[in-house]
Amino acid sequence: DTAVSQTPKYLVTQMGNDKSIKCEQNLGHDTMYWYKQDSKKFLKIMFSYNNKELIINETVPNRFSPKSPDKAHLNLHINSLELGDSAVYFCASSQVASLVETQYFGPGTRLLVL
Amino acid sequence: AQKVTQAQTEISVVEKEDVTLDCVYETRDTTYYLFWYKQPPSGELVFLIRRNSFDEQNEISGRYSWNFQKSTSSFNFTITASQVVDSAVYFCALNAQGGKLIFGQGTELSVKP
Repeated sequence: DTAVSQTPKYLVTQMGNDKSIKCEQNLGHDTMYWYKQDSKKFLKIMFSYNNKELIINETVPNRFSPKSPDKAHLNLHINSLELGDSAVYFCASSQVASLVETQYFGPGTRLLVL
Repeated sequence: AQKVTQAQTEISVVEKEDVTLDCVYETRDTTYYLFWYKQPPSGELVFLIRRNSFDEQNEISGRYSWNFQKSTSSFNFTITASQVVDSAVYFCALNAQGGKLIFGQGTELSVKP
């Protein structure tokens, strides 16, 4: 029944490792997003995909690579993890990529880089 | 430039008090949408309300009410008769450019019994 789900919920890893976070939505939406919430709770958009096509790509290190195998899934792969990557990563989805649409968020993935 | 400011970082009230969370936004766009989200201690982000720039009617939903004033670029959120379960971080957000939500810094509300 979960609308937007993310796995894993928690991720603890060492600096330099590569890790992936998966996101799935069962709302039938066309657009999916990745947001990063830092230690001060500030939320900022990273990427957005509309029907598997990248439409928003904020100033994010190229160690971060999103992949959308289909419009219900959006994964985030992070290479060579750094301490500063520690954050909560939220996936979200909306019907379409429009300012009208409400974005619904997943539960978040808490990433800790040691 | 687009910006959302929530000047109150933390608010602490006693149960049953009314509390207003302030939100001020900046945008040059004439069409935009404003949102409020709640992030309880469990961490998820819960959608509360969406309001478009052409609708300045106040909205009430149970103990929650929202006051949108275009003249002051504000979209304030009031909780009446607060309860402990209202304790959370509340985010105001602006969407003016096709999908890119701009969030305020959040206001952490603590409701004490």
